Amino acid sequence: NAGVTQTPKFRVLKTGQSMTLLCAQDMNHEYMYWYRQDPGMGLRLIHYSVGEGTTAKGEVPDGYNVSRLKKQNFLLGLESAAPSQTSVYFCASSYVWVPDGANVLTFGAGSRLTVL
Amino acid sequence: KNQVEQSPQSLIILEGKNCTLQCNYTVSPFSNLRWYKQDTGRGPVSLTIMTFSENTKSNGRYTATLDADTKQSSLHITASQLSDSASYICVVSPYSGAGSYQLTFGKGTKLSVIP
Repeated sequence: NAGVTQTPKFRVLKTGQSMTLLCAQDMNHEYMYWYRQDPGMGLRLIHYSVGEGTTAKGEVPDGYNVSRLKKQNFLLGLESAAPSQTSVYFCASSYVWVPDGANVLTFGAGSRLTVL
Repeated sequence: KNQVEQSPQSLIILEGKNCTLQCNYTVSPFSNLRWYKQDTGRGPVSLTIMTFSENTKSNGRYTATLDADTKQSSLHITASQLSDSASYICVVSPYSGAGSYQLTFGKGTKLSVIP
């Protein structure tokens, strides 16, 4: 099925370790986003991309880096993981810029990260 | 600061009954409001999207209403089914010309439908 695929689905890290979450979409969407979801909070935007080769900071970018080398992939990296980064991470994509008009944001199934 | 408040936090209803979830927002200027359904362990899935000029939108047994004057929206679920058990998230988009790039997400209402 077409959609947004995230890998891995689960990961446990020790403080200070690094890792990369991969997001892949097969809908030829121009825009991609990384969110985190924490208990008792709404989803918060970490970084986003408006096209291949572009990235921009969202609401909570500190401690994360991203890359969009190919249009279909958006990578989220943690260089030195901290317990505060324990969260569920969602990748999403859209055909047009989401705040403009009634267009749909398609989410992946999420990646649950635990930092000990 | 843009905010989206949802109520109730959680709700338990019997299968077959109707329910209404509330969303109040302070996002201004406002572009559109969305309702998403998030099953446990899954990503959110779009139910409805309403622009500021629309006051009702239906998707099967789900009906969303919007009052842009009072900045309130509701999601009404008719004849609930066990598969409706999920979190329902209200999301508000600012008008992008105002310079904001991001959506404001509510914390969600957790609905449990029991037999």
